[in-house]
Amino acid sequence: GAGVSQSPRYKVAKRGQDVALRCDPISGHVSLFWYQQALGQGPEFLTYFQNEAQLDKSGLPSDRFFAERPEGSVSTLKIQRTQQEDSAVYLCASSSDRGGNQPQHFGDGTRLSIL
Amino acid sequence: DQQVKQNSPSLSVQEGRISILNCDYTNSMFDYFLWYKKYPAEGPTFLISISSIKDKNEDGRFTVFLNKSAKHLSLHIVPSQPGDSAVYFCAASDFPDMRFGAGTRLTVKP
Repeated sequence: GAGVSQSPRYKVAKRGQDVALRCDPISGHVSLFWYQQALGQGPEFLTYFQNEAQLDKSGLPSDRFFAERPEGSVSTLKIQRTQQEDSAVYLCASSSDRGGNQPQHFGDGTRLSIL
Repeated sequence: DQQVKQNSPSLSVQEGRISILNCDYTNSMFDYFLWYKKYPAEGPTFLISISSIKDKNEDGRFTVFLNKSAKHLSLHIVPSQPGDSAVYFCAASDFPDMRFGAGTRLTVKP
């Protein structure tokens, strides 16, 4: 596709449920990033993939958060046993390079609400 | 720890005048800096970037200035247009970690 595509756009879940958020990056982009954005704040880095390899997961807030990109294209961010503090917009971004000299292009995000 | 700060939550400018958005950072390891524009319910859209080896980058109405000694970044928009009204985020990268400011809401009045 022309841009980064994320689904679903909105997700409501009850506390304790598991959720899965999907990201389809720009075709051919080797680098893929996940961010979490709280209301009124800038995005915060969660994790980074280069192709299928997860090279940095230092931003994942707990072991309930898990991300994968098994074939080096589509990525899924999974949150297990969701808590109310997980409510946020989850953004995915991709870029064409491996070294940080090209901008990241963002999807429109998934707004997650935990009841 | 807020490594990137945008101290002005909002800015209002008259159409045709210059808009100046400011950003400060603390981590000297950042080597790539970007500005993003965001509309409600959409993801951030890339505007312009600058590498740490430069002090200025220009793209049409948008110019980004980098002062490494002061750890300060600014975005100039001239002339400002009503369609520029949005939230602007600055970002600083020490790849793959990219940190964002909290954003500045720009309103350009006709």
